[in-house]
This record gives sequence, structure tokens and C-alpha cells, in this order.
Amino acid sequence: EPEVTQTPSHQVTQMGQEVILRCVPISNHLYFYWYRQILGQKVEFLVSFYNNEISEKSEIFDDQFSVERPDGSNFTLKIRSTKLEDSAMYFCASSTGTYSNQPQHFGDGTRLSIL
Amino acid sequence: QKEVEQNSGPLSVPEGAIASLNCTYSDRGSQSFFWYRQYSGKSPELIMSIYSNGDKEDGRFTAQLNKASQYVSLLIRDSQPSDSATYLCAVSSRGGRSSYKLIFGSGTRLLVRP
Repeated sequence: EPEVTQTPSHQVTQMGQEVILRCVPISNHLYFYWYRQILGQKVEFLVSFYNNEISEKSEIFDDQFSVERPDGSNFTLKIRSTKLEDSAMYFCASSTGTYSNQPQHFGDGTRLSIL
Repeated sequence: QKEVEQNSGPLSVPEGAIASLNCTYSDRGSQSFFWYRQYSGKSPELIMSIYSNGDKEDGRFTAQLNKASQYVSLLIRDSQPSDSATYLCAVSSRGGRSSYKLIFGSGTRLLVRP
């Protein structure tokens, strides 16, 4: 069964450094998402992406965050200058289409630890 | 602010029993609802989706939706210890450019006792 793959599985970074989290969505999916989950808290929406543009971003997704689809397969989340509070699990998800009933399939996540 | 509410639990049931998990949502216009299972330290795994009022069954799982009451539930029959996990209720919410984001509840932790 096709899967969303994320790398790395764990990233440890010094505060203030830039990080790039990588995702390969399911190949025929058109909509891509990033979510994050701080330890012990809810899964929170960060951003959705379609046709090489951001469709929606949350209040969390400030100027320190950016997303990119640099080629036909990868989808990346960049955090420019990390803060301690960016420590969380980051999940990439993808879905096929434009309807609300299209389920989103999640990758295994990247655990980001900011020191 | 669109919200999804779940009892955090833990809900403890004996092996073989029926586990009943509940969720309420605030946006009356919501159309699609999903249940995800999340094991500790792992990613959400889709187990059920439901879009119409009534029941939807898939194996040991039954999702129930009541849009008038803004209530979604998940029943797990013949619960197994391997079902022990956190169950996340998610509601699809329309965003920009025809995209839909998921709004998650905080999850209900289920413990199935052998």
C-alpha cells in the first residue's frame, strides 16, 4: 500500500539553527499538509499546499516557516530560526482531491528536538 | 473557533468487551469525520471515516454520526489488548483554494485489559 514517507525520523538542532523536514507524499495525491503535535497535546494543522502554492496556513505558521515542493516528489517544511517551542512531532499528510471526504494519510513523522 | 471535544480517558475495558468512544464538534457545517488511531510516539493511522447520519461498520469498528446533535462515536467490538491506543476524532474543515484541513480532538486513551 502506498505510504507517505518522512525523513529524518529524528532531528536534533541547536536553537536558532535552520531545519528542513522532508516528505514524499503518495504519488497520485495532489494536496499536501503539515501538522505538528507537541508532546501530550493535540495534533495541530500548520499548512496546506496545492498546485505549488499555499492553500491555507494557521496562526502557528509564521514567517519562520516555509514550505516548498522542489521537485515532483518531495515536499519540505523549513523552519528558519528554530526556537525551543518548535520541539514537537511534525507530520506530513497527503490526500487525493478537493472534497472534504478525502481522507488524509499521514507519514510516520519527524521528531524535532531543539536544544 | 472550530473545536472538537473528546474525553481524554483513559477508558479501560476488559478484553472482548465493546469500547465506546465519543466526540462532539462545534461547526454545524462540518461534513466529514474521521477516526484515527495513534499509538504512543507514532503517527495517526486512519481507521474509519463517516459522512452521513447513521452507522457505518468496518470489521470490528462501527462509526456513528448524528449531525443534529453534532456527535460522532466509534464502537470497537471484541476489544483486544492491541487496540490499546489513543483514538483521535478529526473533523474536516474547509480552507483556502478548496483545501480541507483536519481539526483534531485531544484524543481518548483506550486501555484494553487482558
